[in-house]
Amino acid sequence: NAGVMQNPRHLVRRRGQEARLRCSPMKGHSHVYWYRQLPEEGLKFMVYLQKENIIDESGMPKERFSAEFPKEGPSILRIQQVVRGDSAAYFCASSPQSTNEKLFFGSGTQLSVL
Amino acid sequence: GQNIDQPTEMTATEGAIVQINCTYQTSGFNGLFWYQQHAGEAPTFLSYNVLDGLEEKGRFSSFLSRSKGYSYLLLKELQMKDSASYLCTLGGSNDYKLSFGAGTTVTVRA
Repeated sequence: NAGVMQNPRHLVRRRGQEARLRCSPMKGHSHVYWYRQLPEEGLKFMVYLQKENIIDESGMPKERFSAEFPKEGPSILRIQQVVRGDSAAYFCASSPQSTNEKLFFGSGTQLSVL
Repeated sequence: GQNIDQPTEMTATEGAIVQINCTYQTSGFNGLFWYQQHAGEAPTFLSYNVLDGLEEKGRFSSFLSRSKGYSYLLLKELQMKDSASYLCTLGGSNDYKLSFGAGTTVTVRA
């Protein structure tokens, strides 16, 4: 029974490149959440998706950031034209329904922008 | 918005008890969570308090006082594997939006 799988674990990009972060939720979970953790700060909510729908993207920057959760395949968090300030750990969580009880988190992707 | 305060670091010896305090200011929340996060790993759920009072789960207990804007996590019989960051977390009125504190790094020494 695999948990939430995120890849890659570490991603290095140069300024201006694109970053794609992938998240496969736990089996049977149709709700995915992305959080970002900046150094020395708490995790911050970015976006909540269900299959093929963005439910709440209020925590996601308006520019350069996008997220999707297609009918087939993992959820993708995409960051275009990365800047140094995007360097952070990006965590994905999933749940079987829209609830904050026992969100199951992945191990995160550490993005480093050079 | 929500403001969550917890100590940055705590150190204790193996077998001891440590209490991590958390104070918060918020316009409203459903419940308060504590998560454990080892370095480079996923946050894992420890406890959830909706009502005031103490919730006990094995070596870990969590307390909530809504009137005082205060919670604590109590770790008993500390083990080396308990060295981790502990995140005080508020569950907002939108159930999926968790607000995390910056975490308290607990170091357990032999």
